Amino acid sequence: DSGVTQTPKHLITATGQRVTLRCSPRSGDLSVYWYQQSLDQGLQFLIQYYNGEERAKGNILERFSAQQFPDLHSELNLSSLELGDSALYFCASSVDTMNTYEQYFGPGTRLTVT
Amino acid sequence: GEDVEQSLFLSVREGDSSVINCTYTDSSSTYLYWYKQEPGAGLQLLTYIFSNMDMKQDQRLTVLLNKKDKHLSLRIADTQTGDSAIYFCAELSEAGNMLTFGGGTRLMVKP
Repeated sequence: DSGVTQTPKHLITATGQRVTLRCSPRSGDLSVYWYQQSLDQGLQFLIQYYNGEERAKGNILERFSAQQFPDLHSELNLSSLELGDSALYFCASSVDTMNTYEQYFGPGTRLTVT
Repeated sequence: GEDVEQSLFLSVREGDSSVINCTYTDSSSTYLYWYKQEPGAGLQLLTYIFSNMDMKQDQRLTVLLNKKDKHLSLRIADTQTGDSAIYFCAELSEAGNMLTFGGGTRLMVKP
């Protein structure tokens, strides 16, 4: 158990809908990262938040957005869903100090868009 | 751009050593990682190596880094059936935030 929690574990929804995925980082970790794992694209970095502020953006679609709240939990919002958005979405967290760059991953949320 | 390559599949017998290889292209990577993913599970951080090191050993795991050839390997000694999983190598961006992953190597351990 990495200490990173994600809810829900599974999500099934229809095209055009909007969903919110939730992540709680490990205790003491200030950085949260979101990754998407799909069969065709593999594991891709989406976005990073550090202590409430966006720090880095990867291959994140404009239909997707994220935020990190004062209690450091994060939410990934996916809207106007398409079949191709079906994937496993991982959250990771790190302390993000000068000397450690260990990212610990949660169990993931499996999104199925029908 | 960054690209990380791994072979797709490796099969070994229980008790043998496994060697999983990875090549990367970003010479400015500071850290390189190995993650393990079991079926239906998340990514487990196994080990990582700083780019100024050549080797790191952690119990049954040995990581070798050839920075000149941008080649990373993970050796698992005395491989067990519980080691069957997909192994991902990853490099950390120079900015120290995003991980770029390889496609994963599926390790199958036969009894």
